[in-house]
Amino acid sequence: DVKVTQSSRYLVKRTGEKVFLECVQDMDHENMFWYRQDPGLGLRLIYFSYDVKMKEKGDIPEGYSVSREKKERFSLILESASTNQTSMYLCASSLRLAAYFTGELFFGEGSRLTVL
Amino acid sequence: GENVEQHPSTLSVQEGDSAVIKCTYSDSASNYFPWYKQELGKRPQLIIDIRSNVGEKKDQRIAVTLNKTAKHFSLHITETQPEDSAVYFCAANINFGNEKLTFGTGTRLTIIP
Repeated sequence: DVKVTQSSRYLVKRTGEKVFLECVQDMDHENMFWYRQDPGLGLRLIYFSYDVKMKEKGDIPEGYSVSREKKERFSLILESASTNQTSMYLCASSLRLAAYFTGELFFGEGSRLTVL
Repeated sequence: GENVEQHPSTLSVQEGDSAVIKCTYSDSASNYFPWYKQELGKRPQLIIDIRSNVGEKKDQRIAVTLNKTAKHFSLHITETQPEDSAVYFCAANINFGNEKLTFGTGTRLTIIP
């Protein structure tokens, strides 16, 4: 059974603080993703990575960065947290399939971040 | 980039009746269309998906249909049960060697006992 673990379920931070959200998967998946979930806006992709040290911007990368030093770990970094980054953050992973085939996303439980 | 629109945003259905959720997409190169279900306080999980080489796929009480010409796809749930109450998200991929999914805005389905 695939397990995607996010380090913190709930965080409260102050404006301007640096925030690290950690995600670890145990199924040797090549692809990892960070999504942001807000009511009425669905799931929006922040960044994704298809290999170690590789990263690509998603639809809303502004104000975020990522790090993937090991295959199983994908970190989301908020360099200077702002109140509009208060949200639920979901990490996901997927297996690399054949070219032009997209695999199932396995999500973590989510990290609810509040920025005061 | 890909744009996925999903309707309705909320849907209430009497237990035992059918529910239909519709999505449209903009990128004609998309070839993979999954549906995820998110129960309250839980993570989204894949319930069914369809690839562009088929027009319909069924799995017990749920089915997905795809119209590539019109660029829309739909989720059909028959004989609805209370455990079907959840938020449902459609998605479509970007087909250029990466595996990015763009999600719709979600439909909150409530089954009325």
